[in-house]
Amino acid sequence: DAGVIQSPRHEVTEMGQEVTLRCKPISGHDYLFWYRQTMMRGLELLIYFNNNVPIDDSGMPEDRFSAKMPNASFSTLKIQPSEPRDSAVYFCASTPGGADTEAFFGQGTRLTVV
Amino acid sequence: DQQVKQNSPSLSVQEGRISILNCDYTNSMFDYFLWYKKYPAEGPTFLISISSIKDKNEDGRFTVFLNKSAKHLSLHIVPSQPGDSAVYFCAASSRNDMRFGAGTRLTVKP
Repeated sequence: DAGVIQSPRHEVTEMGQEVTLRCKPISGHDYLFWYRQTMMRGLELLIYFNNNVPIDDSGMPEDRFSAKMPNASFSTLKIQPSEPRDSAVYFCASTPGGADTEAFFGQGTRLTVV
Repeated sequence: DQQVKQNSPSLSVQEGRISILNCDYTNSMFDYFLWYKKYPAEGPTFLISISSIKDKNEDGRFTVFLNKSAKHLSLHIVPSQPGDSAVYFCAASSRNDMRFGAGTRLTVKP
């Protein structure tokens, strides 16, 4: 398995534009997590899914953020409209069963909003 | 509200000496704790973990200690090597939740 795959690796966009980040978890993993890394807060949990169902989205900062998981092999994180303070590295991770197991991370998407 | 705290943003040690990274958590529901290592431009990778039923877990040069009453865990690396230089994230989890600290940047000097 190629591991967790995120795309794009880098995204530069103008303020106000819509941004979509993509994630393909490891096959057979039934938990998927979205994190945002910033200098001040480290890895912030934004939302996670179990069997494609959103379980906890309390970490999503604002209504501008939304996430979907239409099937077991694909998830998106969308920001609309984007703002400069959204600039960060966004990570997707998956686990084979529960949050209390080793998580496998993608390489991240570095988002810059100018 | 940060449920997992790593109060030292950075740590510098000499090669061959011990590195000690600390982590505190607030939620007593957490029962599984992990350390991840992150190199630049890569995602975090799992390093070592410990269940709440244990107070120590060792894997080669890496040992994690858990003090449940203090809600504190630490990662010991001995001897430290220059290749250990990275950002280390502490994570605390339960069945349906996993929270990370802000990370500690470890620099091991030759």
